[in-house]
Amino acid sequence: SQQGEEDPQALSIQEGENATMNCSYKTSINNLQWYRQNSGRGLVHLILIRSNEREKHSGRLRVTLDTSKKSSSLLITASRAADTASYFCATDRYNTDKLIFGTGTRLQVFP
Amino acid sequence: NAGVTQTPKFQVLKTGQSMTLQCAQDMNHNSMYWYRQDPGMGLRLIYYSASEGTTDKGEVPNGYNVSRLNKREFSLRLESAAPSQTSVYFCASSEPRDPKVRVYGYTFGSGTRLTVV
Repeated sequence: SQQGEEDPQALSIQEGENATMNCSYKTSINNLQWYRQNSGRGLVHLILIRSNEREKHSGRLRVTLDTSKKSSSLLITASRAADTASYFCATDRYNTDKLIFGTGTRLQVFP
Repeated sequence: NAGVTQTPKFQVLKTGQSMTLQCAQDMNHNSMYWYRQDPGMGLRLIYYSASEGTTDKGEVPNGYNVSRLNKREFSLRLESAAPSQTSVYFCASSEPRDPKVRVYGYTFGSGTRLTVV
């Protein structure tokens, strides 16, 4: 079964706007990761946030983690057409080394 | 370039045929994984290998076998392909094994698109 569920399933915005994607998960985790997948390509790791961290930044990316609510959000600021892709959250479950993925959010950024 | 290499990139099989998907990484990672991705779904873990000589089942192992040939290579075999195995298959590797100290994410290959007719 999927560990994570992303919301929304699809998101369309204009260039320059911010994009926010949410992820919920079910079990205790060691860390949560976000990945990007361009159409027809493999996944690329974006950012990792540990279970004892609440917020992390990387360039135009901002990730938050709320372990009490078992949820995370990914914010992409000042979006670009090149950000068009699917975004997946993935969790490293506590006491395992298996990374479990959510179902993804398809982001479309219009020029 | 360093990374994960998967072969082939595309394959069409008839029901009942067998094939092996190859994966190799040159980053000296201990852990390797096979995932499948179906439309509208995330990636589902088929098998993984925490180190050379060990393999474990993931979420959807039925119909598949794996071999960790050495530290670099991790192959996925379909003994008798079925239409339900039509999917895109991704191999990945990671280091370290312990997620408590993990800093970097997984490195993925570019995928094998398999169609079973």
